[in-house]
Amino acid sequence: GAGVSQSPSNKVTEKGKDVELRCDPISGHTALYWYRQRLGQGLEFLIYFQGNSAPDKSGLPSDRFSAERTGESVSTLTIQRTQQEDSAVYLCASTHSWGEDYGYTFGSGTRLTVV
Amino acid sequence: DAKTTQPTSMDCAEGRAANLPCNHSTISGNEYVYWYRQIHSQGPQYIIHGLKNNETNEMASLIITEDRKSSTLILPHATLRDTAVYYCIVRGNAGNMLTFGGGTRLMVKP
Repeated sequence: GAGVSQSPSNKVTEKGKDVELRCDPISGHTALYWYRQRLGQGLEFLIYFQGNSAPDKSGLPSDRFSAERTGESVSTLTIQRTQQEDSAVYLCASTHSWGEDYGYTFGSGTRLTVV
Repeated sequence: DAKTTQPTSMDCAEGRAANLPCNHSTISGNEYVYWYRQIHSQGPQYIIHGLKNNETNEMASLIITEDRKSSTLILPHATLRDTAVYYCIVRGNAGNMLTFGGGTRLMVKP
């Protein structure tokens, strides 16, 4: 597609349940990033995929968070045993990763509410 | 990647130029300056980037000082729709992670 697509756009879940968030990057973009943005706060880096290299997981806040990426396409972010503090907008972005690039393209995000 | 410093907030009158400053005194030779903005409830949007020379596109102009330690994003004729948080980010190689700071909250007023 023309842009980065994220689904679902909104998710309400009960505390303790697992959730899976999906990101479809722009075709041909080898780099994919997940960020989290709590209400009224800045973007917090979570994880970064670059081609076939091992992902940079340094931003994942706990072992309840994990992410996978299939080749250079779809990525899923999984949050197990959700907590109320996980409520946030989860943003995905992609870019190519050679030479000079023209910035990330972000999706519209998934708004997660844990009740 | 180098750290940046931006004012927390700025106001601008509609139709006037908005000049948003950014300090990046520790920038290294291969690092680019990127600007993004985030309009309420949307994902960040790429605006412009540059290395040494001033750049202009349909959205904005980027002025980088000769020593590259600071830059200014210029929105030549600000509209109400330009109200957003503007992030100045310095980054090296393509594909490297972008680290978002607090940004500048620009309020365009009628």
